[in-house]
Parts: sequence; structure tokens; C-alpha cells
Amino acid sequence: KQEVTQIPAALSVPEGENLVLNCSFTDSAIYNLQWFRQDPGKGLTSLLLIQSSQREQTSGRLNASLDKSSGRSTLYIAASQPGDSATYLCAVNPLSNTGKLIFGQGTTLQVKP
Amino acid sequence: DTEVTQTPKHLVMGMTNKKSLKCEQHMGHRAMYWYKQKAKKPPELMFVYSYEKLSINESVPSRFSPECPNSSLLNLHLHALQPEDSALYLCASSHGQGTGELFFGEGSRLTVL
Repeated sequence: KQEVTQIPAALSVPEGENLVLNCSFTDSAIYNLQWFRQDPGKGLTSLLLIQSSQREQTSGRLNASLDKSSGRSTLYIAASQPGDSATYLCAVNPLSNTGKLIFGQGTTLQVKP
Repeated sequence: DTEVTQTPKHLVMGMTNKKSLKCEQHMGHRAMYWYKQKAKKPPELMFVYSYEKLSINESVPSRFSPECPNSSLLNLHLHALQPEDSALYLCASSHGQGTGELFFGEGSRLTVL
């Protein structure tokens, strides 16, 4: 059974820092992995989608990497800003590809001015 | 346009009421999803529609009744709900079931009295 873990559960950093959010999964048989951002009381915003054949994806200040063999993905945020404060969720799409994503519990990020 | 629109944003209903949540997308996506999210938890899959046919029902109680009138619309009919059904209900869509990036709406916040 696929399990997805995100550590730490919460993170507080000063503005301008580069930071890394971690996501680990127990079964390497995945179709793809997606990172989302969620602001309080709002829906999920897709940040990056990494296919199983890819090693990384970049969008602006965000870079996501994928190491299937070790069951890990990281989301790198460069030059963090207070507007980056949110909960970040990673979700694994298993190889069965039914569309049922397996979510981690999320990392709540606070960037202080 | 990568928008999924959900209405209403907020809904308060009694346990004997009948109400509906609505979701619309115009991205040409053929898979649509309903998720339920409780406070400080990741989203949980309820239903998946693929090409307007119900593909996955995650053993959801019959007081929740999904409907997909056409490829752009998804409804969730609510009847005889319980207070524990209070949650954020999220609609999502993707190009195909399990294929491509998953896009979420802003959600409908449901309170059952």
C-alpha cells in the first residue's frame, strides 16, 4: 500500500531564504507526482507535475525533483517571500493510474518578513 | 484558461435539506473528480467521472449523489447529511482519468447543522 510522508509538518523561515520541502513515498511504482499549494480555506493550486520518467521540473522560483528509486521528491523554493506562506502538498499517482492520488499530510510554510 | 469553477462557495444546510454543489470546467478535460477535505487533513477522493461515466466511487454514503450532465459539468447532490459531513468539497479535473495535471476549484465550504 502506497504511503506518502511529508517532513517537516511545519516550517518557519525568514524572507529571502532558499528552502527545501521533502516528500517520500513507499512504492516506487508511480505514474507521476504532483506538488500543490493550498492557502487557508482555499482550493489546491497545482505547482508542478513530474512524470515518472523525469528527474525534475522547474517553474519560476520553484524546482521539483524526483528520485523514484529512493522514493523521494523535493520541492525547492528559491528566495522565499511572505506570499509563499501556505500549505504544500505532494501527491503520488500510482502506476495503476486510476486517477486516485495519494496525498501526503502537507508541510505548512510560514515566511516571515 | 486553467479554471475550475465551483458554486456555491459556502453552504449551510439542515439535516433534512436537499442541496447541490456545482462544478464547471472549460478546458476540454474528460475526467472530473469530487474530493472531500476536513480541517488540517489532505483531500480524500470521493468520486471520479471519466467521459461522463462514473468510474470510481470510494464507498461514499448514498446521501451523496454525483451527476455528470455533460463533459463540462459535475454536480454533487446532497440529502439527509450529518453534521460530520461538514467539510470543504473540492472539484477537480484532468485531461483524462489519471492522465496529466490535476486542476482544482476553490471548493465549496459545507456546514451541516
